[in-house]
Amino acid sequence: QLQLQESGPGLVKPSETLSLTCTVSGGSISSSSYYWGWIRQPPGKGLEWIGSIYYSGSTYYNPSLKSRVTISVDTSKNQFSLKLSSVTAADTAVYYCARQKSTVAFWGQGTLVTVSS
Amino acid sequence: EIVMTQSPATLSVSPGERATLSCRASQSVSSNLAWYQQKPGQAPRLLIYGASTRATGIPARFSGSGSGTEFTLTISSLQSEDFAVYYCQQYNNWPGEFTFGPGTKVDIK
Repeated sequence: QLQLQESGPGLVKPSETLSLTCTVSGGSISSSSYYWGWIRQPPGKGLEWIGSIYYSGSTYYNPSLKSRVTISVDTSKNQFSLKLSSVTAADTAVYYCARQKSTVAFWGQGTLVTVSS
Repeated sequence: EIVMTQSPATLSVSPGERATLSCRASQSVSSNLAWYQQKPGQAPRLLIYGASTRATGIPARFSGSGSGTEFTLTISSLQSEDFAVYYCQQYNNWPGEFTFGPGTKVDIK
């Protein structure tokens, strides 16, 4: 059974870099059929796609966040990671990692990241 | 960039009644449209893809229709477990563009 688990700090200071990792179990991140993505949801608000990566390293980012986002993959650890720089309070959200084709059928449980000093 | 809108923002429905949710795209997305259900404290769950194909394990009371810019999710007879927020999502230019609508909350009347 495929499982995705987000990990990383739950509190980040303004202007710093948010870093999260998603560990994939029950399946290989090197599968040629899927992309691996990050989606976030501010408290009480809707869903926002952040970006996605293919196992080969090809990346796709939301244009509104592109200047601050880096997504990387480590196939040896079956993990992929998110870095979001220069965070503000507006980046406070539940961050989900996900396995994607064009839709998302598998999601992590989500992790709340709060930006506050 | 394709912008998605959903209506209504909130839909109040009695158990057993039919619910009809709408989703509109700012330009044609063909049939590249999905629907998700999200309950409080949970990750979203994929319900429908390709505008009308139910995902694995989704009950037949959920149905999707539409193409181009206008789409509908219908829940034929609402069960207690169906009260949730529903999001549409377009993937017409995937990979590279992936956009959710703002959501429709279905609550108990």
